[in-house]
Amino acid sequence: DAKTTQPTSMDCAEGRAANLPCNHSTISGNEYVYWYRQIHSQGPQYIIHGLKNNETNEMASLIITEDRKSSTLILPHATLRDTAVYYCIVSLTSYNFNKFYFGSGTKLNVKP
Amino acid sequence: AAGVIQSPRHLIKEKRETATLKCYPIPRHDTVYWYQQGPGQDPQFLISFYEKMQSDKGSIPDRFSAQQFSDYHSELNMSSLELGDSALYFCASRGPAGNEKLFFGSGTQLSVL
Repeated sequence: DAKTTQPTSMDCAEGRAANLPCNHSTISGNEYVYWYRQIHSQGPQYIIHGLKNNETNEMASLIITEDRKSSTLILPHATLRDTAVYYCIVSLTSYNFNKFYFGSGTKLNVKP
Repeated sequence: AAGVIQSPRHLIKEKRETATLKCYPIPRHDTVYWYQQGPGQDPQFLISFYEKMQSDKGSIPDRFSAQQFSDYHSELNMSSLELGDSALYFCASRGPAGNEKLFFGSGTQLSVL
């Protein structure tokens, strides 16, 4: 499985964009990049995922480099409620292949 | 919309006792994952099931066992509990198509005294 590297922590001012980087240099061609976040001790919450193309949904945007060795999660207008640990996960899941491992995420502190 | 249901929410046990955690996946989801998260730690993958068969195994102690039943709910059985088993246990489920997102439950907080 591809491993991911994320900064331990980041700060962001409320209302500004939060850009969270992730390195996954050993990603294979059919592995997806997923982003989840965990607020305090709640269950991890899905944010976004993608394979090659950039993705956007109501929560965030995912930018994947052309060589797929890194990606950036963008929260366009961070609020205090976005303070959480953000996990970048690289995984291939299919009907009979179910590896989905968390690494060490980034603690995002959104400050007023 | 229906979510992943875990029970109980909180469980207190003594050392050497047994515990059973239950997970009810989202309807029509056929894959279940179990994770253990100690205080201040990242979630650690324990085991996963697809269509009632074990599909992947992580750092699950031999004292733990799990299964997925015909209605797709899953149970994690933990025996000879140790103090170090105190943790949050999360269950997640995933739908039948490939590379779908996982949906997580709210977790079971297990305290071993």
